[in-house]
This record gives sequence, C-alpha cells and structure tokens, in this order.
Amino acid sequence: KQEVTQIPAALSVPEGENLVLNCSFTDSAIYNLQWFRQDPGKGLTSLLLIQSSQREQTSGRLNASLDKSSGRSTLYIAASQPGDSATYLCAVRGNTPLVFGKGTRLSVIA
Amino acid sequence: SAVISQKPSRDICQRGTSLTIQCQVDSQVTMMFWYRQQPGQSLTLIATANQGSEATYESGFVIDKFPISRPNLTFSTLTVSNMSPEDSSIYLCSVDGIAASDTQYFGPGTRLTVL
Repeated sequence: KQEVTQIPAALSVPEGENLVLNCSFTDSAIYNLQWFRQDPGKGLTSLLLIQSSQREQTSGRLNASLDKSSGRSTLYIAASQPGDSATYLCAVRGNTPLVFGKGTRLSVIA
Repeated sequence: SAVISQKPSRDICQRGTSLTIQCQVDSQVTMMFWYRQQPGQSLTLIATANQGSEATYESGFVIDKFPISRPNLTFSTLTVSNMSPEDSSIYLCSVDGIAASDTQYFGPGTRLTVL
C-alpha cells in the first residue's frame, strides 16, 4: 500500500527566504506526482505535476524535483512571500488514484 | 484547466439526517473522484465515479453510507447518509483527464458539520 510522508509538518520562515518542502513515498511504481496548495477552509490548487519519466518541473518561483528510484520529491520555493502561506500537499498516482501526504503548513512572516 | 463547483459550500446538519453534495464540472470527464478531509488530516479517497456504471468504493467506505450518482459526464452527487459527528469533514470532488492532461483538479469543497 502506497504511503506518502511530508516533512516538515509545519514551517515558519521570514519573507524572502528560499525554502524546500520534502515528500517521500514508499512504492516507486508511480505514474506521476503532483504538488498542491490548500488555503484554510478551501479546496486544492494544483501547482506542479511531474510525470514518472521527468526529473523536475518549474512554474515561476516554484521548482519540483522527482527522484523516483529513491521515492522522493522536493518542492523548492524561491524568494518566499506572505502570500505563499498555505498548506502544501504532495500526492502520488500509481495503479490507484492519488494518495496524499498530510501536508506541510507554511507560514511566511513579513 | 477545469472549473469545478460544489453545492452547498457548507452546511450544519443534525445527527441521523442525510446531505447530498453536488459537483459540477465545466468539461466532460470520464472519471470523477470524491474525497474526504477530516479535521487536521489529509485527503482520503471515498470513491471513483464513472458515468454509466456503479461507483467504485475504497476500503472503509460503503455505498449505503455514501451513495453516489453520476448521471452525465459533467455532474455527480455524493450523499452522506445517517450522519454522525464523525462525518464532520470537508468533502471534495475532483476530476482528471481535462484536455488529455494527467493533472487532477479539485472543487472548492463542502464543509460539513454534524451536531
């Protein structure tokens, strides 16, 4: 059974810092990995999707990497802003629909 | 991308009653997914709904408790039956396969509180 772990559970940084969120998964037989953002009481916003054949994807200040063989992904956020404050969720898709981690709650302090 | 709407956005219900949540997508999709997010937890898949067939439920979820309808390619409903306080959660619908993309999109969620 696929299990997804995200570290740290919570993170607080000053505005302008670069930061890395970590995601690990137990079964490397995945089709893709997706990073989402969730604001309090809201639905999920898709940030980046990495196919299993890809190593990384970039969108603006966000860069996601995937090391499928080791079961790891990272989300790098450059020059963080208070508006980046949210919970970031990692999810993997294999033979089953998306399996989610518990998320990293990020606070960016102005 | 996809625009997904859900109704209601939130509700407070009494124990023992049922609530039906609607999900509307602006594109035709083959599969729709229903997730539950309990307070402080991540998302758990309840079931996958394909148009024209019975929904497929994940372990721990049964049709009598969470009946699902999928009458066409843009709409689905999830009913939470005979509710108890443990059913208090955010319920989210989700789709993929928009424009042949693997990206999965989520609705805004329905926040349910059961008293």
